Amino acid sequence: AQSVTQPDIHITVSEGASLELRCNYSYGATPYLFWYVQSPGQGLQLLLKYFSGDTLVQGIKGFEAEFKRSQSSFNLRKPSVHWSDAAEYFCAVVLFNNAGNMLTFGGGTRLMVKP
Amino acid sequence: SQTIHQWPATLVQPVGSPLSLECTVEGTSNPNLYWYRQAAGRGLQLLFYSVGIGQISSEVPQNLSASRPQDRQFILSSKKLLLSDSGFYLCAREAGLAEAFFGQGTRLTVV
Repeated sequence: AQSVTQPDIHITVSEGASLELRCNYSYGATPYLFWYVQSPGQGLQLLLKYFSGDTLVQGIKGFEAEFKRSQSSFNLRKPSVHWSDAAEYFCAVVLFNNAGNMLTFGGGTRLMVKP
Repeated sequence: SQTIHQWPATLVQPVGSPLSLECTVEGTSNPNLYWYRQAAGRGLQLLFYSVGIGQISSEVPQNLSASRPQDRQFILSSKKLLLSDSGFYLCAREAGLAEAFFGQGTRLTVV
């Protein structure tokens, strides 16, 4: 069965510090990978995605993620966190079947930013 | 346009009452549509998906049901709400290459 694991439920960083959010997946092949961000009380917004090619992908708001096949990981990074980055972040993989493409989400990581 | 409309934004319902959450989408026809639930402090759980009118697949057995009466309308329902149905419900549409666009969500509190 396919699964997505985000080991860190909560992370707190100081504004201006670097950030790395972890994501590991369990899947029989190279999946399509995504990171979404959810601000409080809002829907989800796509940050970035990986399908193939360059394993380092750039997203919106200064985020990037690196796909590492050997580690089955797709960690999200940002060199300098801003207070507005405080939100919940979800890693996701897509499962393809005859009924369509379904996103499977990790449990999420809530990011808090200290001034 | 990739707009997804969900209403209401918030809802407080007593245990045992019925539920109807509506999601409508704009844009291309025959989109794949999804209902997710996010319980407090937990990730997103896929509840239902639909690849067309009248076609509903359930991922998790529960107290809820879904219907798709029109191409761009997806409804989440319950005949009798339970306390455990409380959560944040998100409608989403597939947007090519497995990407998803999400609505703004409905926060349901069952009291």
